[in-house]
Amino acid sequence: GAGVSQSPSNKVTEKGKDVELRCDPISGHTALYWYRQSLGQGLEFLIYFQGNSAPDKSGLPSDRFSAERTGGSVSTLTIQRTQQEDSAVYLCASSYTGGREKLFFGSGTQLSVL
Amino acid sequence: AQSVTQPDIHITVSEGASLELRCNYSYGATPYLFWYVQSPGQGLQLLLKYFSGDTLVQGIKGFEAEFKRSQSSFNLRKPSVHWSDAAEYFCAVGALDSSYKLIFGSGTRLLVRP
Repeated sequence: GAGVSQSPSNKVTEKGKDVELRCDPISGHTALYWYRQSLGQGLEFLIYFQGNSAPDKSGLPSDRFSAERTGGSVSTLTIQRTQQEDSAVYLCASSYTGGREKLFFGSGTQLSVL
Repeated sequence: AQSVTQPDIHITVSEGASLELRCNYSYGATPYLFWYVQSPGQGLQLLLKYFSGDTLVQGIKGFEAEFKRSQSSFNLRKPSVHWSDAAEYFCAVGALDSSYKLIFGSGTRLLVRP
């Protein structure tokens, strides 16, 4: 596609429910990243994909968070048993090969846990 | 741990005035440095980056930044601000422990007075 697409743009859920956030990167980009932006804070790295593999999951806050990528393209970030502290904007980015390249960001999913 | 500090949460300037956004990082050697801009409802966009060489780097939209090793700073500047520059600006540094992870500051929100 022309840019990184994320859906939904907004998600309101109740505490304890599971949510899935989707990211569709730029076609041909092998590297995909998830970052989290909490209110008043900078972006926090969550996970890095190279192709369908995730060599770095070090930023996932707990085992309630998981992510996968299929076909070297679409990625889904899943949060199980959501908590209020999970409320944030979840940003996806992609780049051509990884490394110190320019990242192309989606506009994010605003997650609100009530 | 590595960190990036953007000491100004908000800055307001008049249209046509000059702008300087401050960024300090904690790592002492020559880091990989970036400035990204996030306009309302949009993803982050790379303004410029510094890896090595000339310490004054030019970016898009008329922005420039200067790397000062002695001050551990990478301040962003623009000689004449336009109303369309109103956005949130993030400084980032490449993480020491990876070739792809970025550590972001908490951002500076720029407001432009007409």
